[in-house]
Amino acid sequence: GDSVTQKQGQVTLSEDDFLFINCTYSTTTYPTLFWYVQYPGQGPQLLLKVTTANNKGISRGFEATYDKGTTSFHLQKASVQESDSAVYFCALVPGTGGYKVVFGSGTRLLVSP
Amino acid sequence: AQTIHQWPVAEIKAVGSPLSLGCTIKGKSSPNLYWYWQATGGTLQQLFYSITVGQVESVVQLNLSASRPKDDQFILSTEKLLLSHSGFYLCAWSLDWGGAGAEQFFGPGTRLTVL
Repeated sequence: GDSVTQKQGQVTLSEDDFLFINCTYSTTTYPTLFWYVQYPGQGPQLLLKVTTANNKGISRGFEATYDKGTTSFHLQKASVQESDSAVYFCALVPGTGGYKVVFGSGTRLLVSP
Repeated sequence: AQTIHQWPVAEIKAVGSPLSLGCTIKGKSSPNLYWYWQATGGTLQQLFYSITVGQVESVVQLNLSASRPKDDQFILSTEKLLLSHSGFYLCAWSLDWGGAGAEQFFGPGTRLTVL
């Protein structure tokens, strides 16, 4: 079945450090891929969306590239701020036109000033 | 502007008691609606989705049920709560195109504690 893997449970950085969060996926379709960010006590909000048509998303300084060859969809940011501290979820929607969404286990980012 | 409201904000319930959680979306007609469950510190598990009034599809079986009595309302319920039902319940909506490939907008969630 369709799946998403985030191996990093937590990433701890200092302000201005480079961020890299790993996400790999498995599907037999051409999926749409998302990064959502969740702040404490809130619902997730969309950070990035990438499809097979555009391959790359950039938002609020974050960047993710969809690599079909390695089935990866990593999240990067050149310089993190304390306000970026949150949980980041990678999510996959299979390219079958349905309504199911598969989320990764999430990566908690802690940024110290 | 679209707004999504979930009620109640939090609930503390006894094992074996019934539950009803609600979600209302204002400012958007005929949205796709979704229910998710999130354990503390865990991932989001999609529970149900609905693309039209009266039609609800189950994604996983967790002894829960859902209904869509109105275009803008989505209800999650069970007659008998289990300890494993504790967690954070999130309602979400998306535009009515491209299946779930459209961005989802999440509500503020309901925190449920089952004792």
